[in-house]
Amino acid sequence: DQQVKQNSPSLSVQEGRISILNCDYTNSMFDYFLWYKKYPAEGPTFLISISSIKDKNEDGRFTVFLNKSAKHLSLHIVPSQPGDSAVYFCAASPMNSGYSTLTFGKGTMLLVSP
Amino acid sequence: GAVVSQHPSWVICKSGTSVKIECRSLDFQATTMFWYRQFPKQSLMLMATSNEGSKATYEQGVEKDKFLINHASLTLSTLTVTSAHPEDSSFYICSARGQGTDGTEAFFGQGTRLTVV
Repeated sequence: DQQVKQNSPSLSVQEGRISILNCDYTNSMFDYFLWYKKYPAEGPTFLISISSIKDKNEDGRFTVFLNKSAKHLSLHIVPSQPGDSAVYFCAASPMNSGYSTLTFGKGTMLLVSP
Repeated sequence: GAVVSQHPSWVICKSGTSVKIECRSLDFQATTMFWYRQFPKQSLMLMATSNEGSKATYEQGVEKDKFLINHASLTLSTLTVTSAHPEDSSFYICSARGQGTDGTEAFFGQGTRLTVV
């Protein structure tokens, strides 16, 4: 049973437009969420995170929104750039693990075309 | 962010042999290290969690005798795939968190592509 779901395996966006990557979770114990970016044959790179006490966190072109009631979060990239093309993983962690364990979604491959 | 180095980045081995993968935290002391495995088009799956100086905790379904994890120091953890078989071919990634890092972030190594022939 997947506790973190990224239902879109891929997303194509034009350069300069907004990319919106979605993530849903089922485990109500999750209260810390992270987004990672991954290039082929490389390890994931941390992008941005949000705790359940917030509903929005922004860092440059990246903004993460959290809707706790819907158990849904999204990553917005504005403006999208070709270098953003990668696989994006959503991950979640429960506070009772000391945030030590991460459950990942399957990832969404983002392709930003010039 | 903190740097985690994983070696080798890729390895090809014969069926029945063992392969060791190293994971090092270069600029912080990793009190906890995690080992993940990723199959094509699948999510990162946690295999085991290791704390320095103690035995690793394996996730359900992961054979501890096949995937030996050692975390002997605060900067080094190793994963040894023993008696490797073609079905063990996968992408293995380590991550680390600990002193000197934001405790809520996990920093990842570059990953190791293992191919068993």
